[in-house]
Amino acid sequence: NAGVMQNPRHLVRRRGQEARLRCSPMKGHSHVYWYRQLPEEGLKFMVYLQKENIIDESGMPKERFSAEFPKEGPSILRIQQVVRGDSAAYFCASSRQAVTDTQYFGPGTRLTVL
Amino acid sequence: TQLLEQSPQFLSIQEGENLTVYCNSSSVFSSLQWYRQEPGEGPVLLVTVVTGGEVKKLKRLTFQFGDARKDSSLHITAAQPGDTGLYLCAGAWQAGTALIFGKGTTLSVSS
Repeated sequence: NAGVMQNPRHLVRRRGQEARLRCSPMKGHSHVYWYRQLPEEGLKFMVYLQKENIIDESGMPKERFSAEFPKEGPSILRIQQVVRGDSAAYFCASSRQAVTDTQYFGPGTRLTVL
Repeated sequence: TQLLEQSPQFLSIQEGENLTVYCNSSSVFSSLQWYRQEPGEGPVLLVTVVTGGEVKKLKRLTFQFGDARKDSSLHITAAQPGDTGLYLCAGAWQAGTALIFGKGTTLSVSS
């Protein structure tokens, strides 16, 4: 039973480019969460999605960041016009349903902005 | 303001020693999870506690959820080098919501 999958594992972008991070939840999981981890700051919640719906985006920066979880395919976190401050590890987690709090994390995508 | 405070921030011990790390908050959580994260990897779930006063054991690891569901502790008996890693606690105010993470305790166990 495959766990949460994220790709790419490492992504290098120049300032101003776009970054697309993908997350495939565990089989049978329809809830996806994105977190960002900065050195010395810990994991911070960004956005919570169910299939085709954004449930909570309170942790997402208002500009340049967007997320989707289409009916078919992986969840995508998109960062437009990246800046150096976007360099971080981005983790996706999934859970089976809203009644459980257990979230299982993927290995993360490490974004480096040059 | 950090909603979940973890202490100590760093801990370096010898193999065979016992240790306890703490996760404290002024907020009540519906559940609390402990994760271990190794460099370059995602957090791996160790345990979920949901009932005030609950104690769970996972081999040499003992997890306790405070009676008021505001704090938790992780006790490791006879630590081994393989226990080295970043230990994170995370709380949820209600089911299906985002997790609030502490900054973690970095544990180093030397042989």
